[in-house]
Amino acid sequence: DGGITQSPKYLFRKEGQNVTLSCEQNLNHDAMYWYRQDPGQGLRLIYYSQIVNDFQKGDIAEGYSVSREKKESFPLTVTSAQKNPTAFYLCASRHQGGPTDTQYFGPGTRLTVL
Amino acid sequence: QKEVEQDPGPLSVPEGAIVSLNCTYSNSAFQYFMWYRQYSRKGPELLMYTYSSGNKEDGRFTAQVDKSSKYISLFIRDSQPSDSATYLCASVSGGYQKVTFGTGTKLQVIP
Repeated sequence: DGGITQSPKYLFRKEGQNVTLSCEQNLNHDAMYWYRQDPGQGLRLIYYSQIVNDFQKGDIAEGYSVSREKKESFPLTVTSAQKNPTAFYLCASRHQGGPTDTQYFGPGTRLTVL
Repeated sequence: QKEVEQDPGPLSVPEGAIVSLNCTYSNSAFQYFMWYRQYSRKGPELLMYTYSSGNKEDGRFTAQVDKSSKYISLFIRDSQPSDSATYLCASVSGGYQKVTFGTGTKLQVIP
């Protein structure tokens, strides 16, 4: 099956810890994205990558870091510098054949800070 | 002002009703418009995609875009309890720098 997988589904973090969320896609998509979803605020873009070994900050990149060493993988690290990390995190990917290509989302990871 | 505004609801309708979900946008550079459906604790799934002004139909779903008034709508005919979800509208400019999402409207279809 082609698709986007995220793991873990639920993640608990103690304050001061860094945690890494996994995102893998086998759709051969060029671009990958990380969003954060909070109640009443919709989806906010954290980071995105349009090609391997390159990525750009989104609207709320502070306290997060990413890497793109492989086309199919785009892990997100939530660092201790992120003041309010409890949220639902969504990874998405997109083929960049043209402007009409749309984003497809993974199932999400719910991060809770204890 | 957010670039894409969407009434958060919740919206409750009886089964079989016609549902109208709406968004407005302010960025004239937006050219492409999408509707996503998101079930509770799941990732959004693409429902409809439109480019030009006018209507696009897919089964029970119709997406409508009015670029002159910067208004986008999603109509659901013969609504079913399985349609109960949060519906997100989204817009993207021609350069596809990023997708801008509305906050989502929560819909409940009551049997």
